[in-house]
Amino acid sequence: GENVEQHPSTLSVQEGDSAVIKCTYSDSASNYFPWYKQELGKRPQLIIDIRSNVGEKKDQRIAVTLNKTAKHFSLHITETQPEDSAVYFCAAILTQGGSEKLVFGKGTKLTVNP
Amino acid sequence: NAGVMQNPRHLVRRRGQEARLRCSPMKGHSHVYWYRQLPEEGLKFMVYLQKENIIDESGMPKERFSAEFPKEGPSILRIQQVVRGDSAAYFCASSPRDLGEKLFFGSGTQLSVL
Repeated sequence: GENVEQHPSTLSVQEGDSAVIKCTYSDSASNYFPWYKQELGKRPQLIIDIRSNVGEKKDQRIAVTLNKTAKHFSLHITETQPEDSAVYFCAAILTQGGSEKLVFGKGTKLTVNP
Repeated sequence: NAGVMQNPRHLVRRRGQEARLRCSPMKGHSHVYWYRQLPEEGLKFMVYLQKENIIDESGMPKERFSAEFPKEGPSILRIQQVVRGDSAAYFCASSPRDLGEKLFFGSGTQLSVL
């Protein structure tokens, strides 16, 4: 199949706490896993991505981990700030019929309370 | 370097009319993807095009929907005889030759069918 499952669907944290969002995928051939942030009424914006040849990648307060054996990957946001409030989408590349496309999870609405 | 440009930003149509959504990819990008987003939901893949070629249209409804990316000019997503259920945000994204790099989204077209 071409499913990407994402949990939780909503997440509320206090400012300064960490937030973790988890995704699983079904296509074992997937090799690229981006994360997008979408603020209300705006376009999805790429915030971090990881390829299957690495297990973890960090960019300041954001990190992504990948477990290829278990087919799951996670987004970690540390020291959360109110401006981190948005909907976050994970995605995985699906190769099918000679073409590649990104398949997205259903999103996690993150609320950071001041 | 301008990003992915979509127009119009908002489009209102009555049932039975046609909707034409335009997307100009980033300079140097030859791959275009269209996604549909319903309220409170994720991004659903519709179609993947390269110049003058439809590569993958597996996510597009068989009837009333069509897409093109001509040699010159923007990519067009066309919806004929619109119905209320077509109301959604339609996002276009482009990538350079290798999808494994980055997928950049336009600001979307919000289609409202009255």
